[in-house]
Amino acid sequence: ETGVTQTPRHLVMGMTNKKSLKCEQHLGHNAMYWYKQSAKKPLELMFVYNFKEQTENNSVPSRFSPECPNSSHLFLHLHTLQPEDSALYLCASSQVPSEQYFGPGTRLTVT
Amino acid sequence: GIQVEQSPPDLILQEGANSTLRCNFSDSVNNLQWFHQNPWGQLINLFYIPSGTKQNGRLSATTVATERYSLLYISSSQTTDSGVYFCAVEQDDYKLSFGAGTTVTVRA
Repeated sequence: ETGVTQTPRHLVMGMTNKKSLKCEQHLGHNAMYWYKQSAKKPLELMFVYNFKEQTENNSVPSRFSPECPNSSHLFLHLHTLQPEDSALYLCASSQVPSEQYFGPGTRLTVT
Repeated sequence: GIQVEQSPPDLILQEGANSTLRCNFSDSVNNLQWFHQNPWGQLINLFYIPSGTKQNGRLSATTVATERYSLLYISSSQTTDSGVYFCAVEQDDYKLSFGAGTTVTVRA
């Protein structure tokens, strides 16, 4: 694997389910990010991890819970989501302060 | 927060045509990136260009940081150039603020 990978690529979940999104970067970077892309809206930064420490939580509801066990892996744990949380969730990484590289995204549908 | 405005919002081109996309931002920035989002959602890095001019094949970009804008040029457009082009700026470390994008459709 090269670059930034994300699994699963597609996810359908009910509002009472618990699921997790996984991101892995193979670039040796020191920072990782979660972004949300909703229809008709610009990409929104959700969380930033720099050297495994969370440095940004952009007013994200607590039903989204990030986890960064090491500098290569990032998770987004989801529970009791709402239909408006349906979106494309993108992971990125960078070697701060250089450019960010994005994964292919997980398209999430909440029913 | 910083405002990032992209124009035009939509662009339809005939194959072989040239075009210019613009990105204006409301405050000074440390860095600027251009991305192409393909129909499957993947964001592809085009340029990392806080200032100056860069070229990569048929694409080139110019950022004039003192005047707070950047331009992306597409020459001899191809159908594979279709998709959404995003400009994103960084002020503080780690945080990218994105524009709303320009949707480009190239017709054969």
